[in-house]
Amino acid sequence: AQTVTQSQPEMSVQEAEAVTLSCTYDTSENNYYLFWYKQPPSRQMILVIRQEAYKQQNATENRFSVNFQKAAKSFSLKISDSQLGDTAMYFCAFMKHGAAGNKLTFGGGTRVLVKP
Amino acid sequence: NAGVTQTPKFQVLKTGQSMTLQCAQDMNHEYMSWYRQDPGMGLRLIHYSVGAGITDQGEVPNGYNVSRSTTEDFPLRLLSAAPSQTSVYFCASSMTSGSTYEQYFGPGTRLTVT
Repeated sequence: AQTVTQSQPEMSVQEAEAVTLSCTYDTSENNYYLFWYKQPPSRQMILVIRQEAYKQQNATENRFSVNFQKAAKSFSLKISDSQLGDTAMYFCAFMKHGAAGNKLTFGGGTRVLVKP
Repeated sequence: NAGVTQTPKFQVLKTGQSMTLQCAQDMNHEYMSWYRQDPGMGLRLIHYSVGAGITDQGEVPNGYNVSRSTTEDFPLRLLSAAPSQTSVYFCASSMTSGSTYEQYFGPGTRLTVT
């Protein structure tokens, strides 16, 4: 079974600065996907970024980028130029390639507070 | 497209009552899942379905039943509610293949069992 660990329960950052959220996972699989989801106070789960394990290049989506270290089983998220709207819970998630139902395993989350 | 819809948004039950949480999607997705989110925790998989007529258990299935008679709908039944089932419930759907594998989540149902 896979496990996903987010060691930072809460982080705060000043508007326009950058913040990095950590995520580590444990798996014996070689092919898998990793995701970061954002959950604002509205409770809606929003996909921020995804990474395929077979790709060495780190994924980027506008102000969001990841640092994927496969050997270390680490998948951190960097939010650059933080905005007030980035205030939310952020969840790291793992999915085995070919998993029936595209089942996700989530970490416990990191609460991010962006201060003006 | 409405995406993934869930009803109700909020529900309060007494211990021992039963109820059904509704989930529907209009994206013709084969895969559908139910997750629960407890305070301070990530989402945990309850049940999932890979197509109409096919369901399977996830990580925390006890106390819940599901069925999938159509591609669009995937209801979650609580047979005899317990306080431990107080949680926020999310339904999700996704394609079976392709480059995305993205799970599309509904807005959630907050359930309180007293």
